[in-house]
Amino acid sequence: GAGVSQSPRYKVAKRGQDVALRCDPISGHVSLFWYQQALGQGPEFLTYFQNEAQLDKSGLPSDRFFAERPEGSVSTLKIQRTQQEDSAVYLCASSIIGRGASGANVLTFGAGSRLTVL
Amino acid sequence: GNSVTQMEGPVTLSEEAFLTINCTYTATGYPSLFWYVQYPGEGLQLLLKATKADDKGSNKGFEATYRKETTSFHLEKGSVQVSDSAVYFCALTRTGGFKTIFGAGTRLFVKA
Repeated sequence: GAGVSQSPRYKVAKRGQDVALRCDPISGHVSLFWYQQALGQGPEFLTYFQNEAQLDKSGLPSDRFFAERPEGSVSTLKIQRTQQEDSAVYLCASSIIGRGASGANVLTFGAGSRLTVL
Repeated sequence: GNSVTQMEGPVTLSEEAFLTINCTYTATGYPSLFWYVQYPGEGLQLLLKATKADDKGSNKGFEATYRKETTSFHLEKGSVQVSDSAVYFCALTRTGGFKTIFGAGTRLFVKA
């Protein structure tokens, strides 16, 4: 597609519910990143995929967070048993290059999914 | 560890004023440096970048120079417009790394 598409744009969940956030990256982009952005803060890295391989998940805050990209295109970020501290905007970004390639890693971001946990 | 520190906002300027948003970084080696901008209701988008010392990134009248000696990458624009109102994020990707680390963002308001 023309850009990175995320859905839903807004999600309200009751504490303890599971949520799934979807990211549709730019076609042909090798790399996909998930970031968490709290109100008034910069994006914080969660995880990174190169094609279907999850190469870095060091930023996932707990084992309640799980991400997948099974066919190397669309990705889903799943949060189980949501807590109030999970309330944030979840950003997806894609990049045409993979790790180890030359050149700066320029990210194209989606508009984000705003999660509110009550 | 690697980090980015940028000036706190909000910054409020009148149209045609000069803009500086300070950014300093901590990283080993020679990271790539970026400025991203987030307009209201939109996703972050790349504004400019620089990949080695003394490089100057520029776009839409904005400029930033990669200063290794002061570990800085300050954003400047000579004459801001109302349409420049947005949140600006300084960011880096460390040498040999791949994930991008962001500063906290600086909100800019430009008044007509």
